[in-house]
Amino acid sequence: AQSVTQLGSHVSVSEGALVLLRCNYSSSVPPYLFWYVQYPNQGLQLLLKYTTGATLVKGINGFEAEFKKSETSFHLTKPSAHMSDAAEYFCAVSDRGPVKLIFGTGTRLQVFP
Amino acid sequence: EPEVTQTPSHQVTQMGQEVILRCVPISNHLYFYWYRQILGQKVEFLVSFYNNEISEKSEIFDDQFSVERPDGSNFTLKIRSTKLEDSAMYFCATQGGRSSYNEQFFGPGTRLTVL
Repeated sequence: AQSVTQLGSHVSVSEGALVLLRCNYSSSVPPYLFWYVQYPNQGLQLLLKYTTGATLVKGINGFEAEFKKSETSFHLTKPSAHMSDAAEYFCAVSDRGPVKLIFGTGTRLQVFP
Repeated sequence: EPEVTQTPSHQVTQMGQEVILRCVPISNHLYFYWYRQILGQKVEFLVSFYNNEISEKSEIFDDQFSVERPDGSNFTLKIRSTKLEDSAMYFCATQGGRSSYNEQFFGPGTRLTVL
């Protein structure tokens, strides 16, 4: 069965600092991998996804993630945090095709001035 | 840009009452999902729906839950007899055809409060 582990339920960074949110997955087949962001009292917005091809994927708002099969990881990074990045971030995995997403427990990112 | 909409945004109900949560998918999408998020917890899959049939459901989706697409546009989630533990945010997600079949688009959610 597929699963997602997000290390760190809370991450705090200063504005301008590097953001690193960790995600490890378990899957018996090549997965699709996703990062979603949830701002307070809002739905889930797709930041980026990996399906096939280049393992470094770039998303919206300056975020990127790298699929590392050997480490079963898909960590999310942003070189310089902005106050507006404060939100909850969810990593998700799915089988290939239009099927359910399995979410991690989420990481709340706080950005301090 | 097309978006998924959900109504109501907030529903308060008494335990044992029936509720219907509504979702309007993006118009050319073919695959539909319901997820829920209990306060402070992760997003959990409930059910997927394709070609007017349930394609997969989770253990959470018991006999108290049902889904349908009654008029070819709305996609609904019904809870027949609500329990306190059904209190959660319910998200609808839809997924399109070949051009975007690997991405699910989420609605803003319905917050269900069972008293």
